[in-house]
Amino acid sequence: EAGVTQFPSHSVIEKGQTVTLRCDPISGHDNLYWYRRVMGKEIKFLLHFVKESKQDESGMPNNRFLAERTGGTYSTLKVQPAELEDSGVYFCASSQGQQATYGYTFGSGTRLTVV
Amino acid sequence: GNSVTQMEGPVTLSEEAFLTINCTYTATGYPSLFWYVQYPGEGLQLLLKATKADDKGSNKGFEATYRKETTSFHLEKGSVQVSDSAVYFCALGLSNSGYALNFGKGTSLLVTP
Repeated sequence: EAGVTQFPSHSVIEKGQTVTLRCDPISGHDNLYWYRRVMGKEIKFLLHFVKESKQDESGMPNNRFLAERTGGTYSTLKVQPAELEDSGVYFCASSQGQQATYGYTFGSGTRLTVV
Repeated sequence: GNSVTQMEGPVTLSEEAFLTINCTYTATGYPSLFWYVQYPGEGLQLLLKATKADDKGSNKGFEATYRKETTSFHLEKGSVQVSDSAVYFCALGLSNSGYALNFGKGTSLLVTP
């Protein structure tokens, strides 16, 4: 079974540019999550999809971030325009059930550097 | 609120040394507790978990016991190997939160030959 796939693995962009991160969850997993780790800080929840619907996006930092999950399969996270403080590692995870009590399968992450 | 505090790194140990990484939590409810590990160049992997008080999670020689009285979930391994070098994250999940995990800041471990 393929795991959660994220790409690109690294992205370096200039402040003000746009970047789109992609996540392919494990096949059959309805639940998809985005998390972010800013250097030296905790991994923070961003949002949660159930199929194509946003269940909760309370962790999204501001309206420069837009997440989509067309058709309930892969998801994209767009940052437009990017700012320096957006630098960090963006993780995607997926699960069959919603309960946080079981843990999730995470991808390798996308390391975003905004210069 | 819900939060996880884990010891600051980096931790450097010689091969075969004993490892302890401390983790304490604050939660409004009865969480499940997790240790995730991120090896260099790889994603987060679930290392072990415990879903109720006094449960012991174990995997790959690592162990952690859910201690409700001390709100702790310390990670231990009796004899570390160079291949254990990674970043370790303690996390909690609450059924009433449904989906979001709360993570600690991570502890970097370097094991030298």
